[in-house]
Parts: sequence; C-alpha cells; structure tokens
Amino acid sequence: NAGVTQTPKFQVLKTGQSMTLQCAQDMNHNSMYWYRQDPGMGLRLIYYSASEGTTDKGEVPNGYNVSRLNKREFSLRLESAAPSQTSVYFCASLDRRTDTQYFGPGTRLTVL
Amino acid sequence: GESVGLHLPTLSVQEGDNSIINCAYSNSASDYFIWYKQESGKGPQFIIDIRSNMDKRQGQRVTVLLNKTVKHLSLQIAATQPGDSAVYFCAENWKGGSEKLVFGKGTKLTVNP
Repeated sequence: NAGVTQTPKFQVLKTGQSMTLQCAQDMNHNSMYWYRQDPGMGLRLIYYSASEGTTDKGEVPNGYNVSRLNKREFSLRLESAAPSQTSVYFCASLDRRTDTQYFGPGTRLTVL
Repeated sequence: GESVGLHLPTLSVQEGDNSIINCAYSNSASDYFIWYKQESGKGPQFIIDIRSNMDKRQGQRVTVLLNKTVKHLSLQIAATQPGDSAVYFCAENWKGGSEKLVFGKGTKLTVNP
C-alpha cells in the first residue's frame, strides 16, 4: 500500500512548455485534490475531483487543467508554463470514513 | 470570505517543553478542523482533527483545543522532541467534511536540544 504517489519529484521547464504531473492513490478513495504551495504560504487548492468522471475548480485554477483518468489517477496539466507557476505541487486523496486527506510527497516545479 | 490564519509564523522551544501552536479562523460556519505536520521536503501529514461539537480532543502527545466563541484553534504538543520540528498547518472545512480545505499559512516549530 503506497498511499498517494506523485511523479516526477522535480521538474524544470522553460516558459511556454507544457507538462503533466501525475498522481495515483491505491486506497480506493473517491475524492482527489491538487494543491500548490508557495514559500511562506499554506496550500491552495487548484482543482479537485469528488469522484471518477467529475472535476471542479478550486481557489487558483487558472493556467491548469486536470483529468480524472480513473478512480486511482488524477493528473494536472500545465499547457503553457509560466514563471508564476513555479511552486511545489501536492496531490491528495480523501478517506471519507475519517474525513482525512492524505498527501503525496510533492512535485517541485521550476519554470524559467 | 473564509480565511484561516496563524498567530505566529515561527516558534522555538526547548526539547522536553510543551509547545502550543495557535490558529484563528474567520468562518463561524466551519465545523471541522484539522492539524497537519509538514516536514522539510515532504507532504503534509495528518496529526489530529476536531469537530465543532467538541472543544477538546487528545491524541498521542497532542491535544487540539477549539474555542468557537472566539474562533480559535490550538495544537498542544507535550514533551516536544526534535522530531517534532516541522511546519504545522491548521485547516478548516465548513461543509462538515474534508471535501475542500482552507489552510492557514503555517507555523514553523523548531525544537532546540
């Protein structure tokens, strides 16, 4: 049971490049989330998916798209990366039995 | 709008002392609160939670206190250890479950040996 996994761990992009951050969970959770964390700030919700086939915008969705590929996987895509998207990105899934979100180890993204 | 904030951005304590980390929230409709611990280079880790129908909940070496009158939440860590050094975040969800969390900015706890 690996919990929540994210790939890659680190990524450097040039402005305008695109990439997809991958997230998977093996806990059979319905809800999954993408957050970004900037220095000195808490986590801000980008998008979430309450169940397979549904996605909703969070607090800071601009510049991002998501895909809930199946129950296990929830990906975050940057179509045209900007320096303002330099951040650490965390994926999480929700255990509804305890209302607890479990987080992945994060992807550290730098956009030059 | 909703906001969750922390009174102190940093806290330094001696090993063995008790630590208290505070959090203020502004949404009186919030009914579920969580404390997370984040170590350097890692994702947030659940510590303890509390619902609004309680004012105190205890875990192993940790206690969360909720004062709804003044909209204040605190995390108490007993006999703080070097391994407790981390950033601690409070989070709230007023919809009655951890569907969408609003996080505070975090308090960095440093435990001195």
